[in-house]
Amino acid sequence: SQTIHQWPATLVQPVGSPLSLECTVEGTSNPNLYWYRQAAGRGLQLLFYSVGIGQISSEVPQNLSASRPQDRQFILSSKKLLLSDSGFYLCAWNNRDTQYFGPGTRLTVL
Amino acid sequence: AQKVTQAQTEISVVEKEDVTLDCVYETRDTTYYLFWYKQPPSGELVFLIRRNSFDEQNEISGRYSWNFQKSTSSFNFTITASQVVDSAVYFCALSPGANSKLTFGKGITLSVRP
Repeated sequence: SQTIHQWPATLVQPVGSPLSLECTVEGTSNPNLYWYRQAAGRGLQLLFYSVGIGQISSEVPQNLSASRPQDRQFILSSKKLLLSDSGFYLCAWNNRDTQYFGPGTRLTVL
Repeated sequence: AQKVTQAQTEISVVEKEDVTLDCVYETRDTTYYLFWYKQPPSGELVFLIRRNSFDEQNEISGRYSWNFQKSTSSFNFTITASQVVDSAVYFCALSPGANSKLTFGKGITLSVRP
């Protein structure tokens, strides 16, 4: 069966520090992968999506970036975090027309 | 452009009451998919149902039922005999096709009191 992992589960970072969040999918190959952010107030915003290794599409211009170094690995990064980057980050993958989500990473920028 | 509106922001009911969560969508696509997800306090989004635009049959799964009406662009979700464990944020979402991006509504916070 397929599973999706995210780590870390929680993270507290100072403003201006770098960020690296990782998402890994098991049990499938060549999935579409997605990064969403849920800020306080709960709306879900699509940040990036990827249809294959090295293929990244950005939905919202900001100080975040994404990479897909391996087929089932999706990484969200930042060189310098802002206060506004705080939120709940969710990774998702597509299986037969449905997106399934990982457990999420709760990021607090202080 | 696609849009999903969940006009209700918070609903509070007493256990065993029935509750309906509304979802209205906008799209110019002739083919599309509609979804409902549940987000319990733990935060993970749990997939509940997918419906494609060609299938207007209502669906029932235990205490959950969904009413899809293309004429009113609505995809409403009813929980019968609600339970405390149903307390969560519920999201309606829309995508233009297979393996496509999701557009989410803002979610409805449901609180079920014992």
